[in-house]
Order: sequence, then C-alpha cells, then structure tokens
Amino acid sequence: DQQVKQNSPSLSVQEGRISILNCDYTNSMFDYFLWYKKYPAEGPTFLISISSIKDKNEDGRFTVFLNKSAKHLSLHIVPSQPGDSAVYFCAASLGSSNTGKLIFGQGTTLQVKP
Amino acid sequence: KAGVTQTPRYLIKTRGQQVTLSCSPISGHRSVSWYQQTPGQGLQFLFEYFSETQRNKGNFPGRFSGRQFSNSRSEMNVSTLELGDSALYLCASSLVGGLETQYFGPGTRLLVL
Repeated sequence: DQQVKQNSPSLSVQEGRISILNCDYTNSMFDYFLWYKKYPAEGPTFLISISSIKDKNEDGRFTVFLNKSAKHLSLHIVPSQPGDSAVYFCAASLGSSNTGKLIFGQGTTLQVKP
Repeated sequence: KAGVTQTPRYLIKTRGQQVTLSCSPISGHRSVSWYQQTPGQGLQFLFEYFSETQRNKGNFPGRFSGRQFSNSRSEMNVSTLELGDSALYLCASSLVGGLETQYFGPGTRLLVL
C-alpha cells in the first residue's frame, strides 16, 4: 500500500519555463510534507517543506502547494534551470507523532533542456 | 556546521556475511533515521533512534538492527546478508524528529555478491 505516490516517473521542460511536479497521498493524518532533490549515488538534498496548516510555501524559485481536500501537493520551479535536472522525491510525515519517519514517493526524474 | 557523514561510502560483501554501517548526525541533532533505497522499492524507512532508543521501526526483518550512542552517532547492522540487501543505505538526522526537516548523508552503497 503506497501512501505517497508520484504518478509521473519523468518530466522534461525547457530552460526558463515552469516545472510542476505532483504528489498524491492517501493518509489524511500526514501533517508535514517535504520535497527533496537527489542526484545518483548521493543523499537527498532538502528543498522545501510545508506544514498541513498552510496551503503554500515559497522559497526563491521553489513553491510548494498543498491541497488537503484533494490530498495533493505540487512543487513549482520557476524558472527552471539545467542544474535542476535530478530526481525529485516528495515525502510525508506524521509529524505530530514526533517520530523521524518519512514516507517517500517513488520519485520523478526532471530533465531541464537548455 | 558539518553535514551528516556516513562511513564507509562503498562496501562489497558476500551472502551470509554481516555488515555494520555508521552515521554521524549534524551536531546537536538527536534523531537519526535510516532508509534503504533500491530501484524497485524506492526509499523505505528502516528505523529511527532518539536519545539512544529505537523510537520507530519500518517493515524490515530482524536481520536489520541498529543502535545509537550517547553522542547521537548511530550504527546499523545487517546480519546474514542476502543478495536483495544490495542497496544505498541513507541516514538522516534532525533535532528531535517530528515536524522537522531531516537532513541526509551521502549514503553507503552496499553490494552483496
């Protein structure tokens, strides 16, 4: 039972355009969500997070949107740059239970073409 | 501040052997979580340690175990290695866990032959 799903295995966008990565979840008890970027053979690098009490969080070129009623979150990257090419994982946490357990999606490979 | 460090970075073992991986969290972080990444299963939670106690555990067999020391450094051990244990093992640290960001180390690539 996959509680966090990233249904698009890959996404290709042109440099300068917007990249939108999507993530769906099934457990309504998740209260903290994160996006990580990962290069092969490296650990995930934290990008941005959002608490379930918010519907939007912005950090530079990265914005995360949370739609709790749809159990859906998305990561927007504007403008996209070739260096953004990587695998992006969304992750969810039962933060209120105060445990360090993240449930990850399967990842979306983003390719930004120059 | 130094990031999360993991040793060794690469390891080759044979079936039936055991292995111990080490993780040093960011200074001041007391929660350490371990994850396994494989092509087929993605990133899966193994267990989390906080103040030297295992606080949460994923769905892995008892061959996978861990511990945490008083300085928050953590080790994980896999006994009786199987071919399917070949994976990237990642540890992540946070201050106390919960509604916080976890910061990952570079991982240990384990190959079981």
